[in-house]
Amino acid sequence: GAVVSQHPSRVICKSGTSVKIECRSLDFQATTMFWYRQFPKQSLMLMATSNEGSKATYEQGVEKDKFLINHASLTLSTLTVTSAHPEDSSFYICSARDRREFYGYTFGSGTRLTVV
Amino acid sequence: KNEVEQSPQNLTAQEGEFITINCSYSVGISALHWLQQHPGGGIVSLFMLSSGKKKHGRLIATINIQEKHSSLHITASHPRDSAVYICAVLETSGSRLTFGEGTQLTVNP
Repeated sequence: GAVVSQHPSRVICKSGTSVKIECRSLDFQATTMFWYRQFPKQSLMLMATSNEGSKATYEQGVEKDKFLINHASLTLSTLTVTSAHPEDSSFYICSARDRREFYGYTFGSGTRLTVV
Repeated sequence: KNEVEQSPQNLTAQEGEFITINCSYSVGISALHWLQQHPGGGIVSLFMLSSGKKKHGRLIATINIQEKHSSLHITASHPRDSAVYICAVLETSGSRLTFGEGTQLTVNP
């Protein structure tokens, strides 16, 4: 089946530094990649949607200069948290939609970010 | 009122029990997904439904489009089934998923 590889699974960084999270579709081409954030005991919150080769569409309240999304190819999308602060500590997860299966979504394994 | 509501929020069962988790939604949808999230956080897509019923192993998912309701059933539950189960709908008007709050299932040996 379709697999999305997300790295790193855990990262601890210092305040003020930047962290890059990578999601790669291993055996399919992802026309659209979704990036979510999840707080403890809460459901997934969509941060942004990216289509290959175009700028990401950010949800209301999500700072595009802080959460940089790049979807340069049909198999790779990255989320960079810039100038990280402790309040950015969260669980980040991506989801990719296969160009062959409009309704199908494959999720990454998630990244636990801790900013100290 | 959330567009996607799940019940129950928490469910504790004994190993071997039959389990049902319900999902109701209030919008027009193209498809409904049942997802499983383990304590580590990773999410696995269990089913994608647009009508009828699907079965995979001990898991069964049904959907009634007219009633805007879906159920996820687990037969002969096992402790390894302990996870959060999330219902998500793909609205006909868009491309994003709308998620329910999730059901925390704990199966005790």
